[in-house]
Amino acid sequence: ETGVTQSPTHLIKTRGQQVTLRCSSQSGHNTVSWYQQALGQGPQFIFQYYREEENGRGNFPPRFSGLQFPNYSSELNVNALELDDSALYLCASSLGPDQPQHFGDGTRLSIL
Amino acid sequence: GQNIDQPTEMTATEGAIVQINCTYQTSGFNGLFWYQQHAGEAPTFLSYNVLDGLEEKGRFSSFLSRSKGYSYLLLKELQMKDSASYLCAVRDLTGFQKLVFGTGTRLLVSP
Repeated sequence: ETGVTQSPTHLIKTRGQQVTLRCSSQSGHNTVSWYQQALGQGPQFIFQYYREEENGRGNFPPRFSGLQFPNYSSELNVNALELDDSALYLCASSLGPDQPQHFGDGTRLSIL
Repeated sequence: GQNIDQPTEMTATEGAIVQINCTYQTSGFNGLFWYQQHAGEAPTFLSYNVLDGLEEKGRFSSFLSRSKGYSYLLLKELQMKDSASYLCAVRDLTGFQKLVFGTGTRLLVSP
């Protein structure tokens, strides 16, 4: 148990729809990072939030966006869903951007 | 650019020792992490190396050589529950700090 919770655990959407995934960070953690993990691959960095500001972004298009709230929980939004967006979406929180990241159980997103 | 290489799959027997290697090339380096991931579950943090040398944590040890861009994870006294994927991740210091993951090494422990 890492204390990082994600919701929902599973989600099925169709192409073109929009989705919001949620993450509650571990108590005391002010940094949240989001990753996309395709089957058989390692997690790919999407973006990181530190104290409510985006702190960096990976090679994902603008239709992937996020937020961090004053309690440091976070949301990942994906617009105009594509089939390739089917993956496990992982949220990781840490005490700061340079501290070890602790992952939630992920949200498995399937696009039909 | 960033490149992290790990073997795709390894097998070992219960009670044995196994070493999982990881080589990396990154434009900035600020530490290397090992995570364990069981099928269908989240990665769990195992170890962190930022300086050269060996870090020991119970049955697991991790080694880093920054000059060689090389790390390994050593698992001793293997147990069946150690069957999982082991992810090597490098913290990139370019601009901000993010983790760059390898594709993972799937370890199968047999009786």
